[in-house]
Amino acid sequence: GAVVSQHPSWVICKSGTSVKIECRSLDFQATTMFWYRQFPKQSLMLMATSNEGSKATYEQGVEKDKFLINHASLTLSTLTVTSAHPEDSSFYICSARDPDRVEADTQYFGPGTRLTVL
Amino acid sequence: KNQVEQSPQSLIILEGKNCTLQCNYTVSPFSNLRWYKQDTGRGPVSLTIMTFSENTKSNGRYTATLDADTKQSSLHITASQLSDSASYICVVRGRGSNDYKLSFGAGTTVTVRA
Repeated sequence: GAVVSQHPSWVICKSGTSVKIECRSLDFQATTMFWYRQFPKQSLMLMATSNEGSKATYEQGVEKDKFLINHASLTLSTLTVTSAHPEDSSFYICSARDPDRVEADTQYFGPGTRLTVL
Repeated sequence: KNQVEQSPQSLIILEGKNCTLQCNYTVSPFSNLRWYKQDTGRGPVSLTIMTFSENTKSNGRYTATLDADTKQSSLHITASQLSDSASYICVVRGRGSNDYKLSFGAGTTVTVRA
């Protein structure tokens, strides 16, 4: 099946620093990737849609200058949390669509990245 | 208000027992509904997917039902195992200009005890 990886799986950083999270589709080319944030005991919240070769589309209320998304290749999207603050501590999950599959709208989720900002 | 509501919020069952999780949605028009299993600290993994015309879909010990008229779905877990302990998330996809946007329920946390 389609495999999506994320790196790192967890990261702890100091307030004010920037953190980059990678999302890779390992066995398929993903023209579209999605970034979600999940707080404890809450549902996944879509942050942005990342399209290869173009600017990401951010959801209402998500600061694009704070959460930088780059989708430079068909297998890699990165999310950079700039000037991180403790309130940015969360579980960040990416997903990717495989356009060649019959169920082309299926999103395959990565394992997530736990970000803790001290 | 969330367009996908799940109940119960959490439940505890004994190993070997059955349980049923509920999902009510208001997303319209509707394209498909999926149930995902999310282990703690992991990303969601798809269990079942149903479109408008499907009433039931099974995946091993997991059986999902869908009533598109009442906008309700259920996930039944048969003969639960300790490894079934996880959060189960109902996800609905609508139809329209935002085809790939999904509406997520908050999930039901299932704890299976020996």
